[in-house]
Amino acid sequence: DTEVTQTPKHLVMGMTNKKSLKCEQHMGHRAMYWYKQKAKKPPELMFVYSYEKLSINESVPSRFSPECPNSSLLNLHLHALQPEDSALYLCASSQVRLAGVADTQYFGPGTRLTVL
Amino acid sequence: LAKTTQPISMDSYEGQEVNITCSHNNIATNDYITWYQQFPSQGPRFIIQGYKTKVTNEVASLFIPADRKSSTLSLPRVSLSDTAVYYCLVGDDSNYQLIWGAGTKLIIKP
Repeated sequence: DTEVTQTPKHLVMGMTNKKSLKCEQHMGHRAMYWYKQKAKKPPELMFVYSYEKLSINESVPSRFSPECPNSSLLNLHLHALQPEDSALYLCASSQVRLAGVADTQYFGPGTRLTVL
Repeated sequence: LAKTTQPISMDSYEGQEVNITCSHNNIATNDYITWYQQFPSQGPRFIIQGYKTKVTNEVASLFIPADRKSSTLSLPRVSLSDTAVYYCLVGDDSNYQLIWGAGTKLIIKP
């Protein structure tokens, strides 16, 4: 099984809502990633978890809160978002995450988020 | 800091070979160069990865010169379904970041 699943596929939320994005992989990977992707731009790394511990936080606003309950699951909790946060949110996993090394990542289909 | 440079777009025709080059200075000494393909509203999909010289798999080849300051993705005999955005990805030796190229939009015409 080389699949990364993400739910929901689409999400529309108001600026006062609280919602969560979910990601799951069963490949035994120990690194999981959250990316944000705006139209016609490359993915922008937000967070990296390595062995269930947050190893990279790319100066992401606190209205985005990641959580890694176990080695297979990754959540992104959203609160008080702004319209400019509307984007495709991608989850990925890789076997390991070595510093400075781009290990092969497997991406989910993404969650299309719209903030009204 | 590492920086990657790719052409913004390319056009080609079915059956042709397409080569997309990515320039990457300050690539991490121990890092691989990875290429991904992305269709609209989907996550990127791994195509190929290499460290040096040439790597070939069932869908593409990757050519990396000795200085590793660039890499060329080669897609043999493209078809309409190869129309997508192609990204190169490298690691930065100085700050442990992952550096994505801006992406090359490849359009294949009949």
